Amino acid sequence: EVQLVESGGGLVQPGGSLRLSCAASGFTLSAYWMHWVRQTPGKGLVWVSRINPDGSSTNYADSVRGRFTVSRDNAKNTLYLQMSSLRADDTGIYYCVRDLGSPNYYDNTAYFSDWGQGSLVTVSS
Amino acid sequence: SYVLTQPPSVSVAPGETARIPCGGDNIRAKSVHWYQQKPGQAPVVVIYYDSGRPSGIPDRYSGSKSGNTATLTVSRVEAGDEADYYCQVWDSSSDRVFGGGTKLTVV
Repeated sequence: EVQLVESGGGLVQPGGSLRLSCAASGFTLSAYWMHWVRQTPGKGLVWVSRINPDGSSTNYADSVRGRFTVSRDNAKNTLYLQMSSLRADDTGIYYCVRDLGSPNYYDNTAYFSDWGQGSLVTVSS
Repeated sequence: SYVLTQPPSVSVAPGETARIPCGGDNIRAKSVHWYQQKPGQAPVVVIYYDSGRPSGIPDRYSGSKSGNTATLTVSRVEAGDEADYYCQVWDSSSDRVFGGGTKLTVV
């Protein structure tokens, strides 16, 4: 059974940093593109970032580029999202998501096959 | 940036058919996926690649596209279908894009 378990969320002050982790099990993490998706009450689901299977290629939404860094440790079956210079509008539930596309190229038509339960990040003073 | 437009809410009586539209420029050229999210739970894909249905999803769920609109149809609606539904595509300007979501209410 595929499982994605996020951790590391919490309350942080504006300007602060936080690192989310996502522990993967039930599949070979190194074979999949992975993403982070954020959900806020006012804006629904928003794609945040993606990383290729070996970690050599990443992409970010304009709203987080330069402040967030996605990485992975396939040996530890873990995905990370390092968040810095956090703002109030970064508040939300962050989901770790598996992409069912090919491992050899970015299949932008692929869908999100598996989601974690989410980790709540609250940015507030 | 690319925008997908969904109505905030759709209401339907049990046993009736619910249709949830998702509008987007040139959506006919894109692969559309639909996700269902129930309160307190993570989203789950219910339709992929416009009209494909994952195993375990009832055949009451179907997807279609016409013009600049993709539509998720839920036939013979049940109380358990109450949820938020999101469409999603990829666009070169924004990577993965979600619609704003539609709350399906069974009245």
